[in-house]
Amino acid sequence: GIQVEQSPPDLILQEGANSTLRCNFSDSVNNLQWFHQNPWGQLINLFYIPSGTKQNGRLSATTVATERYSLLYISSSQTTDSGVYFCAVISTQGGSEKLVFGKGTKLTVNP
Amino acid sequence: DTAVSQTPKYLVTQMGNDKSIKCEQNLGHDTMYWYKQDSKKFLKIMFSYNNKELIINETVPNRFSPKSPDKAHLNLHINSLELGDSAVYFCASSHRDSRGYTFGSGTRLTVV
Repeated sequence: GIQVEQSPPDLILQEGANSTLRCNFSDSVNNLQWFHQNPWGQLINLFYIPSGTKQNGRLSATTVATERYSLLYISSSQTTDSGVYFCAVISTQGGSEKLVFGKGTKLTVNP
Repeated sequence: DTAVSQTPKYLVTQMGNDKSIKCEQNLGHDTMYWYKQDSKKFLKIMFSYNNKELIINETVPNRFSPKSPDKAHLNLHINSLELGDSAVYFCASSHRDSRGYTFGSGTRLTVV
């Protein structure tokens, strides 16, 4: 099945710093999502981005489907950005599809 | 609010008990899922249902039995709970024409 790898596994930042999270996937995809799991455990959908670039406030994401990677940019990080960031892609096998997650990047933003 | 809602949010129970988790979505999606998040935060699919029909069963023990009374609901019943079942269980939904999956807030199950 499709493999999803995220890097780095852990990231510690000072408030105000910028960061880039990376997601590599092993096969072509037509759906990619970025999620933020906050310290209370909620999974929040950040971007649906199978290709191209999107921006939402201080966050933006770029997916280069032909090269099988996606990047999540966080600018001017805040303590509320802390949590785990997951990349997930659709895997289709035998006519059924499922969302396959990477292992996440744990981000800690210190004041 | 349009959302995926699951209950209960927390569940603490003894080994050997049987418990259920309920999930409802009002997004008009036609596919619903159960995901399990283990202690290392890894999220893995357990089941998916499309219009009340089981589509995916990812080698989950028979003690886990999903039930979908209609396409807006997907419940998870677990028999004879074991310590290793402790995890966070997430319900999710999607639609073939929608832009991505929407997840519920999770149910933290602790088996003691």
